[in-house]
Amino acid sequence: GENVEQHPSTLSVQEGDSAVIKCTYSDSASNYFPWYKQELGKRPQLIIDIRSNVGEKKDQRIAVTLNKTAKHFSLHITETQPEDSAVYFCAASEEGNTPLVFGKGTRLSVIA
Amino acid sequence: EAGVAQSPRYKIIEKRQSVAFWCNPISGHATLYWYQQILGQGPKLLIQFQNNGVVDDSQLPKDRFSAERLKGVDSTLKIQPAKLEDSAVYLCASSADRAYYEQYFGPGTRLTVT
Repeated sequence: GENVEQHPSTLSVQEGDSAVIKCTYSDSASNYFPWYKQELGKRPQLIIDIRSNVGEKKDQRIAVTLNKTAKHFSLHITETQPEDSAVYFCAASEEGNTPLVFGKGTRLSVIA
Repeated sequence: EAGVAQSPRYKIIEKRQSVAFWCNPISGHATLYWYQQILGQGPKLLIQFQNNGVVDDSQLPKDRFSAERLKGVDSTLKIQPAKLEDSAVYLCASSADRAYYEQYFGPGTRLTVT
């Protein structure tokens, strides 16, 4: 089955700097890669996703890149703000309504 | 649209007791998932329903966990008897029945087994 590895487990950045979180996956059949943000005690919220027919996707300060050959994808947050502090999870699944396999999460702290 | 609803939000029980969680997905969403999230880890799938049928329950500890989705809408997840290692947040998620989808998560039920 699919296995998703996520690094780093914790990340501290100064406000205004960029943050990068990286994930690798094992199943070449996976072609849907969402990123979720989870604030303390709250539900995971989808912030961006990418599918295998796209190499990069941007949404304001957030971008995701995908390298299917190397089986890795990354989340990039630019101009970080204190409200970006949360745990971020990457996930992978096959197309359609198949379960997500999550990474272990990255705790991002943005220091003002 | 209204989000995924779950209850209760918190539950504390002693080991060997039983507990049940309830989930109401987003209206019209055919697919419903139960995930277990242990502290410091990502969510892990327990069971997936498509309408009222089970699609994947390969990671459900069937000796103590059970789930049902009557009428293809609400779902309940039960643990009987509970063990200390069942302490976790139980997340329900739902998605629409289409090729490209987004899973919407409920607020979760935080279970503490003492």
